[in-house]
Amino acid sequence: SQTIHQWPATLVQPVGSPLSLECTVEGTSNPNLYWYRQAAGRGLQLLFYSVGIGQISSEVPQNLSASRPQDRQFILSSKKLLLSDSGFYLCAWSRRGAFYGYTFGSGTRLTVV
Amino acid sequence: QKEVEQDPGPLSVPEGAIVSLNCTYSNSAFQYFMWYRQYSRKGPELLMYTYSSGNKEDGRFTAQVDKSSKYISLFIRDSQPSDSATYLCAMSERRGGADGLTFGKGTHLIIQP
Repeated sequence: SQTIHQWPATLVQPVGSPLSLECTVEGTSNPNLYWYRQAAGRGLQLLFYSVGIGQISSEVPQNLSASRPQDRQFILSSKKLLLSDSGFYLCAWSRRGAFYGYTFGSGTRLTVV
Repeated sequence: QKEVEQDPGPLSVPEGAIVSLNCTYSNSAFQYFMWYRQYSRKGPELLMYTYSSGNKEDGRFTAQVDKSSKYISLFIRDSQPSDSATYLCAMSERRGGADGLTFGKGTHLIIQP
């Protein structure tokens, strides 16, 4: 069976500090990978998606970047965090080809102070 | 007009009642329609997905899609306190080989024992 791991679960970081959130998928190969952010009252916002190693598409220009160094690894980064980067970050994967919905990770709650 | 509209609630009903949750959308390019359930501080969990107009049933849950009206619904029969959560509708369209999901903001459902 497929599983998705996301860590850390919670993170408190000062303004201006760097960020690295990691997501890995097990039990499948060549997944499509996604990073979403969920802010209070604003719903889920697609930040980045990837269809393969090194292939990143950005949906919203912002202070964040994403990388996919391995087939089942997706990383969300920032060089300098802003207060507005606070939120609940979710990684997700979906199959190539036929669509069966997304499977989400358990999320990282980021608070920038 | 926002792409996906969903009443945020809260919607409070007594245990055993039939619950009706709804979303409307404006983008005719949406192909798949999904419902996710999200408990507090957890990642969303896929409940059901459908492709065509009509009904799809899974246990106590029924998903309904009306593409001509751009309207989708989720019905929960014999509602239980454990069904208390936020329910998110989501719709997919192809973006560069991946399936980008657009979410509603979610309806907060409370089932009173």
